Amino acid sequence: GIQVEQSPPDLILQEGANSTLRCNFSDSVNNLQWFHQNPWGQLINLFYIPSGTKQNGRLSATTVATERYSLLYISSSQTTDSGVYFCAVNTGTASKLTFGTGTRLQVTL
Amino acid sequence: DTEVTQTPKHLVMGMTNKKSLKCEQHMGHRAMYWYKQKAKKPPELMFVYSYEKLSINESVPSRFSPECPNSSLLNLHLHALQPEDSALYLCASSQLVNYGYTFGSGTRLTVV
Repeated sequence: GIQVEQSPPDLILQEGANSTLRCNFSDSVNNLQWFHQNPWGQLINLFYIPSGTKQNGRLSATTVATERYSLLYISSSQTTDSGVYFCAVNTGTASKLTFGTGTRLQVTL
Repeated sequence: DTEVTQTPKHLVMGMTNKKSLKCEQHMGHRAMYWYKQKAKKPPELMFVYSYEKLSINESVPSRFSPECPNSSLLNLHLHALQPEDSALYLCASSQLVNYGYTFGSGTRLTVV
């Protein structure tokens, strides 16, 4: 099956700093999503981005499908950005959304 | 309504109990999913329902029994679970295979 690796695994930032999270995948994908899992377990959809670039406030994402990676940018980080960030992908006609290994982000004051 | 609602939020059950987890969506999505997430791990797929029919079972033990009574509801029936089944159980839905998934807030299950 497809392999989805995220880096870095852990990240500690001071409030106000910027960061880039990376997602590498081993095969062509039809769907790629970025999620933020808050400390209570809720998975919040950030972006549906199988290709191209999207922005939503302080967050933006870019997927380069031909090179099999996606980037999530967080600018001016806030403590509420803390949690785990997952990318997840579908391949072909499969209904199986496969999650990456995750990046655990802690934003401190 | 753009939510997936899961109940209960927390559940503690003994190994001989029978319980059910419930999931509901009113977005008109035709695919629904159960995922299991252990601590500090990514969610792992358990079951996929497409147009109310089970289309994927990821070799899940029979003590987990899914049910899709209609296009808005998804249940997960639990029986004779083991302590290692303690986890966060997440429900999700999507319009079609290659559209965005929406997740519920999960049921945190503890088996004692």
